[in-house]
Amino acid sequence: DTAVSQTPKYLVTQMGNDKSIKCEQNLGHDTMYWYKQDSKKFLKIMFSYNNKELIINETVPNRFSPKSPDKAHLNLHINSLELGDSAVYFCASSQAGFSYNEQFFGPGTRLTVL
Amino acid sequence: QKEVEQDPGPLSVPEGAIVSLNCTYSNSAFQYFMWYRQYSRKGPELLMYTYSSGNKEDGRFTAQVDKSSKYISLFIRDSQPSDSATYLCAMGPGANSKLTFGKGITLSVRP
Repeated sequence: DTAVSQTPKYLVTQMGNDKSIKCEQNLGHDTMYWYKQDSKKFLKIMFSYNNKELIINETVPNRFSPKSPDKAHLNLHINSLELGDSAVYFCASSQAGFSYNEQFFGPGTRLTVL
Repeated sequence: QKEVEQDPGPLSVPEGAIVSLNCTYSNSAFQYFMWYRQYSRKGPELLMYTYSSGNKEDGRFTAQVDKSSKYISLFIRDSQPSDSATYLCAMGPGANSKLTFGKGITLSVRP
């Protein structure tokens, strides 16, 4: 039973194209995230949404636009793809609360820009 | 100076060895400290979490936090080939704040 799912798993595309990655969680969590992991395994947060509201927006080019149609979904649209966008993109979710709540990660989308 | 620095890898040890993985940080506001494990081609999963200073043990794994030195460690006893993965430290100032991750270290346990 998948907790956090992402589609597609692999994405190979040409520079300049526009692409989207979709994420869905069935855990009932109210917070969702997008992370980028580079080839050296460095994981960096890009965006976070809580109940469809953007709460974290790191220094990310505005070619990246997240969209949360409801609290179970967080999609990432990327315009004008560049070589440097090649990475693995992870979606994650957690439940906000008074103590730390684990972030559950999806399996990742491996994006290759040619 | 990066906010979170993690010992560079990769690290290769024989089965049964004790492994020590370490991170240092500069932000004194960090209160929550986590270790995530990531198997090849998978998403990270939470291994251990500690609030503030102290030790926490879970089976073969022990997490240590020394806030005075801004230093955290993960010890793995009797390491197994199944422990071969990338280990990422992560930390944040609040329960629901964003996490800052270390660069990750890839561990290989040889049978």
